[in-house]
Amino acid sequence: GAVVSQHPSWVICKSGTSVKIECRSLDFQATTMFWYRQFPKQSLMLMATSNEGSKATYEQGVEKDKFLINHASLTLSTLTVTSAHPEDSSFYICSVPGWGTSGRSQYFGPGTRLTVT
Amino acid sequence: QQQVKQSPQSLIVQKGGISIINCAYENTAFDYFPWYQQFPGKGPALLIAIRPDVSEKKEGRFTISFNKSAKQFSLHIMDSQPGDSATYFCAASKGGSGNTGKLIFGQGTTLQVKP
Repeated sequence: GAVVSQHPSWVICKSGTSVKIECRSLDFQATTMFWYRQFPKQSLMLMATSNEGSKATYEQGVEKDKFLINHASLTLSTLTVTSAHPEDSSFYICSVPGWGTSGRSQYFGPGTRLTVT
Repeated sequence: QQQVKQSPQSLIVQKGGISIINCAYENTAFDYFPWYQQFPGKGPALLIAIRPDVSEKKEGRFTISFNKSAKQFSLHIMDSQPGDSATYFCAASKGGSGNTGKLIFGQGTTLQVKP
């Protein structure tokens, strides 16, 4: 599989400020990474596809100016939540494609809990 | 066409029993079907995955059964243990053999295994 880390694991910020979340692929070079959001007791919703060297692709309904994605290298993607509001409080998780017993698979990071006060 | 429907929403099983979770999809272009296990406050962990060229795949106590004509797939957990208590998500994507594409997740099933 792939080993994926996220930093920070949790963050509390004040309304109106910006927060940056890092996603690192520790053992695979990833030209593509994915960012998901998960609200309590709900499923994962894909927010955007992070593409190394080019612009991210956002899912319908996700504000690209609010959720800035930068895929700086083959091992690092960052998600910046700009002008955060309490409704942005959620669990943000990234995933990286890797190789498993079923061929190409996706592996998730440990997640980042964002709380906006 | 992009939906993946998962059932049941919650499941209680006695230790040693079999846990069965079902998923159905609509998009016949999907070609990758993984199952993830998630504990509270953690990221999902890949359990087992299948591609549509096989009807069943087994890894340890976990088995995926896949019915292409019915567009359904299920996860069976044999000899369920209290440590299996978690939320399970099915997912589907299309991307060819070299890619996984964007994952579309089911709604999730909360499994509780009673000692």
